[in-house]
Amino acid sequence: QKEVEQNSGPLSVPEGAIASLNCTYSDRGSQSFFWYRQYSGKSPELIMFIYSNGDKEDGRFTAQLNKASQYVSLLIRDSQPSDSATYLCAVRAAGNKLTFGGGTRVLVKP
Amino acid sequence: GAGVSQSPSNKVTEKGKDVELRCDPISGHTALYWYRQSLGQGLEFLIYFQGNSAPDKSGLPSDRFSAERTGGSVSTLTIQRTQQEDSAVYLCASSSVDSNQPQHFGDGTRLSIL
Repeated sequence: QKEVEQNSGPLSVPEGAIASLNCTYSDRGSQSFFWYRQYSGKSPELIMFIYSNGDKEDGRFTAQLNKASQYVSLLIRDSQPSDSATYLCAVRAAGNKLTFGGGTRVLVKP
Repeated sequence: GAGVSQSPSNKVTEKGKDVELRCDPISGHTALYWYRQSLGQGLEFLIYFQGNSAPDKSGLPSDRFSAERTGGSVSTLTIQRTQQEDSAVYLCASSSVDSNQPQHFGDGTRLSIL
């Protein structure tokens, strides 16, 4: 079992719809959780981070964390073609090392 | 500069040669990380530096890989006797000392071994 798992996709959503991305992790001691967006040929850029159970909203993005179930999700509201990218979930357990999932490719169709 | 700076942006070399990749972290960031990303794959952790502590080398794939961080700032990742499977994008990231702070990535070095 991988430490951080994501569906590789592609997740295809129509423009204006909500894209829902999920990530599960195996280390119950994980402390902090990050979502990065990566365009093809580019480096990852941070979208959101979340530490506490519940929801955290930032603009069109909402991160949801459920430590009991060991999953973290990302919702993208009013999806735009510019949101088409690979979304990487990253989890930090003890120490500073981040463990990344394989990423979910999102395609937003006009 | 304001962000993480990596050089070179692209490197093409012959199998068996040694290569050095450089990373200049964000000013004031004490933590520095190296990752490798092969085509279409996720990020693979290589090594982590935090201040003056001994680095976490647990992700280095073989003894051909090594890294240094001089003066707590600039880091160099060295790959000796390169192999074709070393072809990948090598990404550097830095973060502040607070372990809850996110990592910020440089643009990476695309390494191609012929």
